[in-house]
Amino acid sequence: GEDVEQSLFLSVREGDSSVINCTYTDSSSTYLYWYKQEPGAGLQLLTYIFSNMDMKQDQRLTVLLNKKDKHLSLRIADTQTGDSAIYFCAESSGGSYIPTFGRGTSLIVHP
Amino acid sequence: DAGVIQSPRHEVTEMGQEVTLRCKPISGHNSLFWYRQTMMRGLELLIYFNNNVPIDDSGMPEDRFSAKMPNASFSTLKIQPSEPRDSAVYFCASSNPNRQGPNEQFFGPGTRLTVL
Repeated sequence: GEDVEQSLFLSVREGDSSVINCTYTDSSSTYLYWYKQEPGAGLQLLTYIFSNMDMKQDQRLTVLLNKKDKHLSLRIADTQTGDSAIYFCAESSGGSYIPTFGRGTSLIVHP
Repeated sequence: DAGVIQSPRHEVTEMGQEVTLRCKPISGHNSLFWYRQTMMRGLELLIYFNNNVPIDDSGMPEDRFSAKMPNASFSTLKIQPSEPRDSAVYFCASSNPNRQGPNEQFFGPGTRLTVL
């Protein structure tokens, strides 16, 4: 199976919260990342979390990490149409600075 | 800084033709990556360079693909001959790895390649 797995699609109503989930297999992961890809553009780092943390909050974004279950989530509060994009989960371990990306979750925000 | 620059942004070519994609990384970054994105396979790492030296090209699909980095500010990805299944968006990314901290990759806008 893939090293980083995500569901491919998520549809939410504008104003609701979005939760995008990710699982990974590398127990030595030190950093976990969320990248955002807007239509016609490259990926851009949204946020990251160090593996010794279990939560990180940045304005409307909340990252939760369950290291025991190797589960990462990204919660977007008050989702807006501008949040429509593909969100990639990625991890890197101390032995390598090369991130392993998931396949991305397409977030669709409808009125 | 202008960010990672890629050219062309779009390329349409016929099967059998040679295609060259270009990338200028962010100044000061010493690692450069080439990715391919398709609906079927997602984001695939093709090759990456560190200090202009190719480190891992295990993701390169086949011998038709080659990549070079003649200097710190320029890299090319060449496909010869191109085939319809090469149609994809090709991204270049650069970073300045720090083993003590997170390693953010900075992506270019991509080149959308269509091979007819």
